[in-house]
Amino acid sequence: GAVVSQHPSWVICKSGTSVKIECRSLDFQATTMFWYRQFPKQSLMLMATSNEGSKATYEQGVEKDKFLINHASLTLSTLTVTSAHPEDSSFYICSAREREEQFFGPGTRLTVL
Amino acid sequence: GENVEQHPSTLSVQEGDSAVIKCTYSDSASNYFPWYKQELGKGPQLIIDIRSNVGEKKDQRIAVTLNKTAKHFSLHITETQPEDSAVYFCAASIAGADGLTFGKGTHLIIQP
Repeated sequence: GAVVSQHPSWVICKSGTSVKIECRSLDFQATTMFWYRQFPKQSLMLMATSNEGSKATYEQGVEKDKFLINHASLTLSTLTVTSAHPEDSSFYICSAREREEQFFGPGTRLTVL
Repeated sequence: GENVEQHPSTLSVQEGDSAVIKCTYSDSASNYFPWYKQELGKGPQLIIDIRSNVGEKKDQRIAVTLNKTAKHFSLHITETQPEDSAVYFCAASIAGADGLTFGKGTHLIIQP
C-alpha cells in the first residue's frame, strides 16, 4: 500500500505555544488529505479535510483558527495547533487519499504541559 | 451525518479460532467500507475494504461481508494468530468524497 509519513512522531510543548505537524505522501500524489484526532482508548475523529490549493473544510466543533491547515503541494499537508493547551494533548493522525482508499500516517503524539 | 456502530468492544479468542467483528452504518449514501488494524502507538493500517456493489471480499485469512439492505458489514478473521492481536476499526464513507466515520473499535485478544 501507499506510504504516508508524519513528523514529528511526538512533541512536548508548553501551554500557549504553537506546534506544527507535517504529513507527507511518499510514493503518490494526494489532492486530498485528512486530519484526525484520537484520544486514549477512543476512536479516530475527523477534524478537517485538506485539499491541495484550497482552504480546508473543518468538521463541526473544530476551531479553524486554532487548528490551521495548509496543503501547499500534492504531497504535503501541515497542521498547526496554535496556542496549545493541555486539553489539546492527543494523538493526531493524518491520512492521504489515493483513489477511494485512505492511507494513514504513523501519528503524532502531542503533549501540552 | 453518518453514524457507525461497532461490536463487540473487546473480543478474546483462542489461537486458531475465528473472530468476527460487526458494524452497522446509518447513511444509505455510504458506499465504501474499509477495515483498519491499529497497534498501540501506531497509525491505522488498512487491511481490507469493500464497496457497496460487492457482497463479499476475501484476502487470505481475512474476509469482509456487506449487507446493504440491513446496512451492516462484518470482518471475519480465520485461523487467528498472536500477531492478529490489535484494535480493529470499521469505517464508512462516500467513496472519493468524504473523510471516514469510524466505529469505536474492537480490541481483539488472541489467547495462546
